[in-house]
Amino acid sequence: EADIYQTPRYLVIGTGKKITLECSQTMGHDKMYWYQQDPGMELHLIHYSYGVNSTEKGDLSSESTVSRIRTEHFPLTLESARPSHTSQYLCASSGSLRESNTGELFFGEGSRLTVL
Amino acid sequence: QKEVEQDPGPLSVPEGAIVSLNCTYSNSAFQYFMWYRQYSRKGPELLMYTYSSGNKEDGRFTAQVDKSSKYISLFIRDSQPSDSATYLCARFSYSGAGSYQLTFGKGTKLSVIP
Repeated sequence: EADIYQTPRYLVIGTGKKITLECSQTMGHDKMYWYQQDPGMELHLIHYSYGVNSTEKGDLSSESTVSRIRTEHFPLTLESARPSHTSQYLCASSGSLRESNTGELFFGEGSRLTVL
Repeated sequence: QKEVEQDPGPLSVPEGAIVSLNCTYSNSAFQYFMWYRQYSRKGPELLMYTYSSGNKEDGRFTAQVDKSSKYISLFIRDSQPSDSATYLCARFSYSGAGSYQLTFGKGTKLSVIP
């Protein structure tokens, strides 16, 4: 069982609201990721971090922002939610290649966001 | 052309059937491949990974890579209703200096009917 947690699991919110999706892992992993997943579509990487104070944008452009102040915590924030932000957001972490030998990603259960 | 192509299905089979799930990829850089399984309302979890061409078995599951045709497959023998999930293939590529990338297919939704 992976020790990576996301809250909230489900969120319905009105347009224009600020939201923060929380992600925490207890595995001591340096690398953390945010993916966006829509039905029938690929998992798209929107943000990643290779350590504290390191954040990068992923392949898919996103209006969200992330921060990495602590190793275990990687929150994602939308300053002003819009209906186009409706999606499932998956957080993941991975250890070094020396640790896992595969770069395996451990995923949280996801946060399903609906913006009305 | 997308880096990893996967037919999203859905695929519905009777219990006990042999299931074949397939992906193609376009980039031949050093890499290996993973299969993730995602149950409804859960995050994906690693099922199998394979480095090289040929087969890798784990119980009822066999992962197969054909690098000459850039084709990867996952076979499930004696499929069970508990195998009902979305299966995502992923290509791992290493870009040096500790950086690597995992590129996912769309996932194939499998239903095994009792």
